[in-house]
Amino acid sequence: EAQVTQNPRYLITVTGKKLTVTCSQNMNHEYMSWYRQDPGLGLRQIYYSMNVEVTDKGDVPEGYKVSRKEKRNFPLILESPSPNQTSLYFCASSSIQGARARTEAFFGQGTRLTVV
Amino acid sequence: DQQVKQNSPSLSVQEGRISILNCDYTNSMFDYFLWYKKYPAEGPTFLISISSIKDKNEDGRFTVFLNKSAKHLSLHIVPSQPGDSAVYFCAASAAQMTTDSWGKLQFGAGTQVVVTP
Repeated sequence: EAQVTQNPRYLITVTGKKLTVTCSQNMNHEYMSWYRQDPGLGLRQIYYSMNVEVTDKGDVPEGYKVSRKEKRNFPLILESPSPNQTSLYFCASSSIQGARARTEAFFGQGTRLTVV
Repeated sequence: DQQVKQNSPSLSVQEGRISILNCDYTNSMFDYFLWYKKYPAEGPTFLISISSIKDKNEDGRFTVFLNKSAKHLSLHIVPSQPGDSAVYFCAASAAQMTTDSWGKLQFGAGTQVVVTP
């Protein structure tokens, strides 16, 4: 079954304690990205990756890091989480056609992060 | 500054009637538009898309209309069913590599649709 798997689904942490949210896809997609969903703001892109070792900033990258060492995995790293990073996070993947991402993306089920 | 806007946060419609969801965008480089549907505790799922070379795309009960001159698109759901109750996100992307939007998918804030019996 084609899927994007995020872990954990729920996480409560304290300010400043480094954390990683994992994302894995089994569709051999080149393109992967991370979004955060906040009330009234919809989904905002944090980082994206067009392929292994190729990553780029989205619209709200501050306070986040990513890596793409393998095609299937795209972890999101919060080195020093702060309360304003409390949000619902989604990982997504899609294939690339031609010069741009084929953006019918598959999304993971989300990670609800609370930073206290 | 949001480049994709859904100005109606919620919409209530009776079962069997038409649901019309609206979306406006500001970036003229956007050339591909999508609608996603999201249920609580799940990730968004792709619903329907339209390329800027078309003004209409239909898939079963779902039709998306694009008005490029007005930078406006809409999603029509006919007839609406209780299972359509969800949050609907409009999204847009740009193909040209010279634009800042390339590789990114810009989302609107979403519209909560409630279909009542």
